[in-house]
Amino acid sequence: DTGVSQDPRHKITKRGQNVTFRCDPISEHNRLYWYRQTLGQGPEFLTYFQNEAQLEKSRLLSDRFSAERPKGSFSTLEIQRTEQGDSAMYLCASRTTGTGFYNEQFFGPGTRLTVL
Amino acid sequence: DAKTTQPPSMDCAEGRAANLPCNHSTISGNEYVYWYRQIHSQGPQYIIHGLKNNETNEMASLIITEDRKSSTLILPHATLRDTAVYYCGKGTGNQFYFGTGTSLTVIP
Repeated sequence: DTGVSQDPRHKITKRGQNVTFRCDPISEHNRLYWYRQTLGQGPEFLTYFQNEAQLEKSRLLSDRFSAERPKGSFSTLEIQRTEQGDSAMYLCASRTTGTGFYNEQFFGPGTRLTVL
Repeated sequence: DAKTTQPPSMDCAEGRAANLPCNHSTISGNEYVYWYRQIHSQGPQYIIHGLKNNETNEMASLIITEDRKSSTLILPHATLRDTAVYYCGKGTGNQFYFGTGTSLTVIP
């Protein structure tokens, strides 16, 4: 399967624990995006990378959230000291910046986080 | 994005055209309008996008008003497999903002 993959698909944790999610984009895609989606809402943009550079992170929800893409391939999203309000679906998407101003994003299946 | 509004739900008879409206009154000049759909437990799937002109592809048509403050997604012949949540959004090549979505139910 050459689509975007995310791991784990489900994560249950206790409040105060740290969690890390992984995203593997489509191999030739240089752009990688993270979103959060809560029940009944559309995806909420968090951050994005161009290769290994994080070009926008002001939309990260708090300083407990951080993301990396160390070699310009896979990316991780970490949430420290989780809170019950962090319970949501975390989506990753990737795309190329080839021809054209806009290229479609390809989304992964998401990681569903439940904080008890 | 709170400024991108969509009706929460719509029904459409199978085989008929589904017209899904979206208001994006705060769209800026360099932002595209785009549409994705999401079937339960899957990631969103791209449908179509546009800047100023109407667009058509194999999945749908997109009609954008002249002032660009609203648009309509048209599924010309809805099938049962088109039952999904449809998200309108706006964005540049860098940041994207989704609306709250319309849950479309195609009725046999």
